[in-house]
Amino acid sequence: RKEVEQDPGPFNVPEGATVAFNCTYSNSASQSFFWYRQDCRKEPKLLMSVYSSGNEDGRFTAQLNRASQYISLLIRDSKLSDSATYLCVVSLEGMFSGGYNKLIFGAGTRLAVHP
Amino acid sequence: GAVVSQHPSRVICKSGTSVKIECRSLDFQATTMFWYRQFPKQSLMLMATSNEGSKATYEQGVEKDKFLINHASLTLSTLTVTSAHPEDSSFYICSASPRVGGRVMNTEAFFGQGTRLTVV
Repeated sequence: RKEVEQDPGPFNVPEGATVAFNCTYSNSASQSFFWYRQDCRKEPKLLMSVYSSGNEDGRFTAQLNRASQYISLLIRDSKLSDSATYLCVVSLEGMFSGGYNKLIFGAGTRLAVHP
Repeated sequence: GAVVSQHPSRVICKSGTSVKIECRSLDFQATTMFWYRQFPKQSLMLMATSNEGSKATYEQGVEKDKFLINHASLTLSTLTVTSAHPEDSSFYICSASPRVGGRVMNTEAFFGQGTRLTVV
């Protein structure tokens, strides 16, 4: 079983649509959670961190359910510029010499927004 | 925000040659940097953790003699792909996170721009 699992998509949606991505993780010791965005042939960039209380940033809402080891990302009013691959990322912290955090990436979910 | 610079962004090399990729943290010190590899339509896979002043820690299945890592300063880590083969063609990317005190901050990881390696 993969440590972080995502539906690869692609999700093809029209502009203005609402789309939701899901992610599950296997290591219950995971402590921090993130959604990154990766454009084609580019480096990943942080979209938002994910907290148990849920958090919202404009059109983006992220949720974490620790009991179910489940993370979600909701995008409202999709824009053409939202087309990208969305990576679910979990962090294992404080478990390695040197105190660094180890990031585990999902394979990503592709989103294509069309006019 | 913190910046990590990676060079070169793209390289084409002949089979059997070696390629060096540099990763620099431009505005913070990084005692630890990470090297990833990403094949098309796949996730970033951690190859190794680069530790300043000590040996790198390699993930299972990654050949340390093939992927040489040197972290000689607090702002520079290098990955050398030795005796490259076509199957080594991939997108290589580094990352680092700022450290405050003795602990890496629980904040975003900053990625270099990535290096697309093509071995012909």
